[in-house]
Amino acid sequence: EAEVAQSPRYKITEKSQAVAFWCDPISGHATLYWYRQILGQGPELLVQFQDESVVDDSQLPKDRFSAERLKGVDSTLKIQPAELGDSAMYLCASSSQDREQYFGPGTRLTVT
Amino acid sequence: AQSVTQPDIHITVSEGASLELRCNYSYGATPYLFWYVQSPGQGLQLLLKYFSGDTLVQGIKGFEAEFKRSQSSFNLRKPSVHWSDAAEYFCAVGGMDTGNQFYFGTGTSLTVIP
Repeated sequence: EAEVAQSPRYKITEKSQAVAFWCDPISGHATLYWYRQILGQGPELLVQFQDESVVDDSQLPKDRFSAERLKGVDSTLKIQPAELGDSAMYLCASSSQDREQYFGPGTRLTVT
Repeated sequence: AQSVTQPDIHITVSEGASLELRCNYSYGATPYLFWYVQSPGQGLQLLLKYFSGDTLVQGIKGFEAEFKRSQSSFNLRKPSVHWSDAAEYFCAVGGMDTGNQFYFGTGTSLTVIP
């Protein structure tokens, strides 16, 4: 069964450092989502891609976060510089025509 | 505005007992509704979904949910809970009117006692 891949699974970084997360969606899925999930809360959308184009990044803190999906396949989410409040689970999901979103295992970020 | 409310932050049930997790949503058009389950440190797994048609939907692991438009609810049920069901449960709403963006509730944490 096809799955969404994410790496790394865990990341510990010091504040003010740069950090990057990678996501490889299910093959053929045109839509890719990045979510942030703070402990004890539900996921919140950061950015949505349709192929290589950004559909919505209204909740992305653009002063420090960036996301790209250059070839419309895999995607990278970057934070620079990281802040203590960025500690969270970062989830990637993808979807096709069936409207269901398939989630990856997530990257747990701890900023010290 | 689109939103999901899960009124119960934490629920404890005995193994073998029935379970109902509540979900209320606010959505301007016909909603797509989902229940996901998340084990500690893991991603989200889809339990079931509702797009249209029969308002009682069956999912994996013996779960079901009923869509009640008049009450804006999509409650999750299971007749007999197993210890392995202990996890965090999230309700989500989405739809074409919002570009298939999902809005998640804050989750309900389920503890199962022997």
